[in-house]
Amino acid sequence: GENVEQHPSTLSVQEGDSAVIKCTYSDSASNYFPWYKQELGKRPQLIIDIRSNVGEKKDQRIAVTLNKTAKHFSLHITETQPEDSAVYFCAAVRASSGGYNKLIFGAGTRLAVHP
Amino acid sequence: DTGVSQNPRHKITKRGQNVTFRCDPISEHNRLYWYRQTLGQGPEFLTYFQNEAQLEKSRLLSDRFSAERPKGSFSTLEIQRTEQGDSAMYLCASSPNTETQYFGPGTRLLVL
Repeated sequence: GENVEQHPSTLSVQEGDSAVIKCTYSDSASNYFPWYKQELGKRPQLIIDIRSNVGEKKDQRIAVTLNKTAKHFSLHITETQPEDSAVYFCAAVRASSGGYNKLIFGAGTRLAVHP
Repeated sequence: DTGVSQNPRHKITKRGQNVTFRCDPISEHNRLYWYRQTLGQGPEFLTYFQNEAQLEKSRLLSDRFSAERPKGSFSTLEIQRTEQGDSAMYLCASSPNTETQYFGPGTRLLVL
């Protein structure tokens, strides 16, 4: 089955620096890769996603890149702010023949942005 | 706010008791998922509903667990004879398509 590895498990940066979180997946048929942000005690919130027919996607300070050949994808946050502090999860999905998908999550990266 | 609601938000129970959680998805979403999240880990898939049909159950879902979505709207997840290992956050998510999933706030279960 699908397996998703996420690194690093913790990341500490100074406000204004960039942060990069990397994930690798095992199932070459995976075709959708969302990223979720989860603040302490709150629900996971979708912040950006990318489909396998695209190599890069950007939304303001957040970007995601996908390398299908190497089976890895990364989240890039530029000009980090203290409110970016949270746990970030990557996930991979392979659309099933039944028309649904189950998210396979990485273990998460705890990002701390220090003022 | 994504609109998925879950109740209760917190549940403390004694080992051996039964508990039931409820999830109300975003109204137009016909796909509903349950996940379990333990401390320091990402959510793990438990089960999936398309309308009222339960189409997949994870091996994580032992026979003590049962989920329903009787009218294709809200869903319930019941755990019978709870064990301390059942302590976790139980998350519900709904989706309008085969990709994007929106999560509820979760029910945090503590089994003493």
